Amino acid sequence: DTGVSQDPRHKITKRGQNVTFRCDPISEHNRLYWYRQTLGQGPEFLTYFQNEAQLEKSRLLSDRFSAERPKGSFSTLEIQRTEQGDSAMYLCASSFLTSYEQYFGPGTRLTVT
Amino acid sequence: RKEVEQDPGPFNVPEGATVAFNCTYSNSASQSFFWYRQDCRKEPKLLMSVYSSGNEDGRFTAQLNRASQYISLLIRDSKLSDSATYLCVVNQGSYIPTFGRGTSLIVHP
Repeated sequence: DTGVSQDPRHKITKRGQNVTFRCDPISEHNRLYWYRQTLGQGPEFLTYFQNEAQLEKSRLLSDRFSAERPKGSFSTLEIQRTEQGDSAMYLCASSFLTSYEQYFGPGTRLTVT
Repeated sequence: RKEVEQDPGPFNVPEGATVAFNCTYSNSASQSFFWYRQDCRKEPKLLMSVYSSGNEDGRFTAQLNRASQYISLLIRDSKLSDSATYLCVVNQGSYIPTFGRGTSLIVHP
């Protein structure tokens, strides 16, 4: 399967714990995006990378969130000191450099108890 | 006013019906437009791009109206398998897209 993959698919954690998610994009894609989606809403942009450079972060993104893409391939999203409001589906997507079309991974569903 | 607005629905239609959704956007400089489909608890999947001249793919037709700042999606001969949420996506001059909240479609026998 050469699509976007994410790991883990589900994560249950207690409030205050740190969590890290991984995304492996389609190998030829230069851009990688992270989104958060809650029930009844569309995906909300968090941040994106072009190769290894993080080009933009949403101003809504708390300092507790950090993302990396060290070698321009896979990416990680870390949430520190999780809060119940962080419970959501975290989606990763990738695209070619010159395209607006994005391809999504299956997401990581986070539940903070 | 939200940047991208969609009627959340749900739209309940019988099999074989024709159904249309609209999506309005606020930024007149918007350049690229897409429809994505999202099944329950699954990831969004690209359905089709929306070009200035319109775009048709089988039973699906997408249109862009720049003057009134909306895009539309028409589904003809609805199938049970068309039941899903349809997300409107707009790129407003950058590679960061803005998603609508989605329109829910339920096709019943």
